[in-house]
Amino acid sequence: AQTVTQSQPEMSVQEAETVTLSCTYDTSESDYYLFWYKQPPSRQMILVIRQEAYKQQNATENRFSVNFQKAAKSFSLKISDSQLGDAAMYFCAYRSRGNFGNEKLTFGTGTRLTIIP
Amino acid sequence: EAQVTQNPRYLITVTGKKLTVTCSQNMNHEYMSWYRQDPGLGLRQIYYSMNVEVTDKGDVPEGYKVSRKEKRNFPLILESPSPNQTSLYFCASSFGLGAYNEQFFGPGTRLTVL
Repeated sequence: AQTVTQSQPEMSVQEAETVTLSCTYDTSESDYYLFWYKQPPSRQMILVIRQEAYKQQNATENRFSVNFQKAAKSFSLKISDSQLGDAAMYFCAYRSRGNFGNEKLTFGTGTRLTIIP
Repeated sequence: EAQVTQNPRYLITVTGKKLTVTCSQNMNHEYMSWYRQDPGLGLRQIYYSMNVEVTDKGDVPEGYKVSRKEKRNFPLILESPSPNQTSLYFCASSFGLGAYNEQFFGPGTRLTVL
């Protein structure tokens, strides 16, 4: 079974600075998807960014980018120019690509990000 | 507006009193799933459904039931709730079929079982 580990329960960053959230995963599969979700105080789960394992290029979405190291099974999220609205719980998640039945997302335990004005 | 809705958003109940949390999506999605979120554990899958009348267990199905009689609805049923089912519950849906499809999450239901 796959597991996802987020070793930083809490992080803080000064507004306008850059912060990196860590995520490692364990899998025997070669093809899969990785995601970062944001959960603000409203509790809504919001997809921030995704990465397909067969793509070597790191995904980027505006101020959000990932550092995907497949061999190391590492998938970190970098937030540039941090804004107050980025304050949230961030979850890393894994999904098998080959399973045509269950599209289960396996989540890490989350990192709570605080933005310091 | 494309969305997943859940009701109720908040519920406080007592041990043993049957309850149902409804989930509905308006995107004609094949795949639907229920997760529970607990502090320090992230989100864990309870049940999923690939289509109407097709459901299967996830990682933590004990104490829960589901049904999928219509494509848009996927209710979560707790026949005899217990305090260890106090949690935040999310319904999610996607087009399924194995390719990448973004999963859309509902707003969550905060359940407290006394």
